[in-house]
Amino acid sequence: DGGITQSPKYLFRKEGQNVTLSCEQNLNHDAMYWYRQDPGQGLRLIYYSQIVNDFQKGDIAEGYSVSREKKESFPLTVTSAQKNPTAFYLCASSSLNRGRDGNTIYFGEGSWLTVV
Amino acid sequence: RKEVEQDPGPFNVPEGATVAFNCTYSNSASQSFFWYRQDCRKEPKLLMSVYSSGNEDGRFTAQLNRASQYISLLIRDSKLSDSATYLCVVNINTNAGKSTFGDGTTLTVKP
Repeated sequence: DGGITQSPKYLFRKEGQNVTLSCEQNLNHDAMYWYRQDPGQGLRLIYYSQIVNDFQKGDIAEGYSVSREKKESFPLTVTSAQKNPTAFYLCASSSLNRGRDGNTIYFGEGSWLTVV
Repeated sequence: RKEVEQDPGPFNVPEGATVAFNCTYSNSASQSFFWYRQDCRKEPKLLMSVYSSGNEDGRFTAQLNRASQYISLLIRDSKLSDSATYLCVVNINTNAGKSTFGDGTTLTVKP
């Protein structure tokens, strides 16, 4: 099946630890994104990438890092510098089609990160 | 002022009711518009794109008003299964990172 796969679905982290969330897509999309969602809140953009080996900070990049070594993969590392990392993390991708449906975003199932 | 604003609700309606949501956007250069549905503790899923001419998919109708910079979603004959949060998304196609999400409108359909 085509789609976006995130893992793990649930992750518990001790304070001071770095953790990495995996995101893989087989949609042949150029652009990939990471969003954070807190309970009852909207989505906030952490990082995005339009091409391999290049990425840009979103609105809340502090305490996070990413890499884009392959078109299919865009892992997110939540570092110990992120003071309040407990949240729902969503990976997404889109083509860079500039047609009428350009930049339709598709999401993975999300990863729940809890700091214990 | 937020770039994309939605009435958070909640909207509580009986089954069979017609309900409409609006979403306003501030950037007049916006080119693509979408409605997503998000169920509790799940990822957002594309409900429909919004075209200038308006578009319909079954009980759902989406419209765009560029002059007043808002999009709307109309749901007719509401079902219990329509209960969810509806997110509007606005995009400036020239930059893939510029999709802006509203915070969502929560709909609860009651028997």
